[in-house]
Amino acid sequence: NAGVTQTPKFRVLKTGQSMTLLCAQDMNHEYMYWYRQDPGMGLRLIHYSVGEGTTAKGEVPDGYNVSRLKKQNFLLGLESAAPSQTSVYFCASSSPSGGINEQFFGPGTRLTVL
Amino acid sequence: GDSVTQMEGPVTLSEEAFLTINCTYTATGYPSLFWYVQYPGEGLQLLLKATKADDKGSNKGFEATYRKETTSFHLEKGSVQVSDSAVYFCALTHDTGGFKTIFGAGTRLFVKA
Repeated sequence: NAGVTQTPKFRVLKTGQSMTLLCAQDMNHEYMYWYRQDPGMGLRLIHYSVGEGTTAKGEVPDGYNVSRLKKQNFLLGLESAAPSQTSVYFCASSSPSGGINEQFFGPGTRLTVL
Repeated sequence: GDSVTQMEGPVTLSEEAFLTINCTYTATGYPSLFWYVQYPGEGLQLLLKATKADDKGSNKGFEATYRKETTSFHLEKGSVQVSDSAVYFCALTHDTGGFKTIFGAGTRLFVKA
């Protein structure tokens, strides 16, 4: 039982390049989330999904796209990377029960855009 | 909109000292409240939670009480250890709209031996 895994762990991009971050969970969770973590700002929600084939915008969606083609996977894409997207990206998954939403987080992807 | 405010860090304590990390929130209705912990190089993991007023969440010697009247959820531990050094995040979530979670900015704790 690996929990939530993220690929890659580190990546350096040049401005304008594209990339896809992969998140996978093996807990059969319905909900999945992408956050970015920046110093002094906590975690900010980029996009989320409440089920296979559905996605929705979070707090800071501009410059990112997502897809949830399979229940266990949630992909985050950057079409044209900018230095402002330098951050640590975390994926999380959950299966809310009784009104409680405990999220399970992956180890993070550290992205640097030059 | 909803928001969470935590005391700024870093907080530096000696081993066996008492810890308090303040957290207050602004939200409509009755959100669930959480404390998550992030150890160096890792993702966040749930430390404790409380779902209604006056509930006390506890885990690994940490406690926090959901205070509706003061809109607070302060984290406490009676005797910290070096291994408690981490970043602590207060968070809230509603059971609507995708269960989106609002996180505080995080408080870094250093515990010296």
